Amino acid sequence: TQLLEQSPQFLSIQEGENLTVYCNSSSVFSSLQWYRQEPGEGPVLLVTVVTGGEVKKLKRLTFQFGDARKDSSLHITAAQPGDTGLYLCAGASNQKLVFGQGTRLTINP
Amino acid sequence: SQTIHQWPATLVQPVGSPLSLECTVEGTSNPNLYWYRQAAGRGLQLLFYSVGIGQISSEVPQNLSASRPQDRQFILSSKKLLLSDSGFYLCAWSPTHEQFFGPGTRLTVL
Repeated sequence: TQLLEQSPQFLSIQEGENLTVYCNSSSVFSSLQWYRQEPGEGPVLLVTVVTGGEVKKLKRLTFQFGDARKDSSLHITAAQPGDTGLYLCAGASNQKLVFGQGTRLTINP
Repeated sequence: SQTIHQWPATLVQPVGSPLSLECTVEGTSNPNLYWYRQAAGRGLQLLFYSVGIGQISSEVPQNLSASRPQDRQFILSSKKLLLSDSGFYLCAWSPTHEQFFGPGTRLTVL
């Protein structure tokens, strides 16, 4: 069974600080997606990384896919209250996604 | 552009009653379709997925079933709901390896 472990599960920091969320697995994935979800809504796709070692930047968010395509990280610079939400990583394998348990991020003004 | 709809948005049902949740996708053809359940504030558990009309794969044994009567319609059903069926149900569609989610249905079984 393929598993993705996200850490930390909960993170509460002050506005302006930097943070990193990790997504780790013992399995290799063909691609990895990061989603952000607001309460009561469906997850929204932020980014897809496909190549081992790939780095993608989306404004203040930086996503990295591990060289072996087993892990990924999300780094947020100068966090803002609008970044608050549930962040989910998901690995693609055989037309399905395996989701991590999520990181609940709270940015305090 | 593609859009995905789910209804109803919220549902309160008594234990033992039947269930039917509907998901439809617009603007694409022959998508892969998925049903997930999400516990409060946590990750998603894949329930069913479909790669075509009438083709359903079940990921976990449970009290639910799924059907795909049309190319862009995916239905989640139950004959008799259990308390443990309560949760947030999400439908998703996929053109390749990325998935795009609907707004979800909040189901409460009392």
